[in-house]
Amino acid sequence: GQSLEQPSEVTAVEGAIVQINCTYQTSGFYGLSWYQQHDGGAPTFLSYNALDGLEETGRFSSFLSRSDSYGYLLLQELQMKDSASYFCAVRDRLTGGGNKLTFGTGTQLKVEL
Amino acid sequence: NAGVTQTPKFRVLKTGQSMTLLCAQDMNHEYMYWYRQDPGMGLRLIHYSVGEGTTAKGEVPDGYNVSRLKKQNFLLGLESAAPSQTSVYFCASSYSGHYSSYNEQFFGPGTRLTVL
Repeated sequence: GQSLEQPSEVTAVEGAIVQINCTYQTSGFYGLSWYQQHDGGAPTFLSYNALDGLEETGRFSSFLSRSDSYGYLLLQELQMKDSASYFCAVRDRLTGGGNKLTFGTGTQLKVEL
Repeated sequence: NAGVTQTPKFRVLKTGQSMTLLCAQDMNHEYMYWYRQDPGMGLRLIHYSVGEGTTAKGEVPDGYNVSRLKKQNFLLGLESAAPSQTSVYFCASSYSGHYSSYNEQFFGPGTRLTVL
């Protein structure tokens, strides 16, 4: 089976840096994804790590350590619009094809002035 | 391009009623998925399809059926709705293939279903 752990809530101030951690226990693993979801909205893709190391996309970076079954999402120069839920998701392969995503329970990020 | 669209956006059912949720995508994706999201939980995979005419069970398939008669459409059916099926349902699609660039799943806006 798959299980992922991430903090339920994180609060930070505008302009700061915040790190959201994710640890996972999985029977299959091809990579770790991060999705953002605003209240009432759809999840949207942020980043994906298949290999160890840091991936940077603008203000967002994501890190993976396969040996530690651990990853994190780093958000820099926080803005009010970054207030949302952030989900880590383990990617595995589905029988017959397809990419299975197993999601964590999400971290609600609150950005304050 | 509209991306992934879902109809309806909201629905209230009585226990035992049936309904079909429609998902459509215009990105020519091979893979399509149905998830449900409950408060305080992540998304859980109900059923998925790797191509036209194919469907398979995901993590929580009981009480649901699906069909993919056309590549661009993926239907989710509830034959006899139960209060436990009150949830937000998301459809998603993705490219086929194993490469990292094919990893992203594109989600629709969701259907908020309440079963009384």
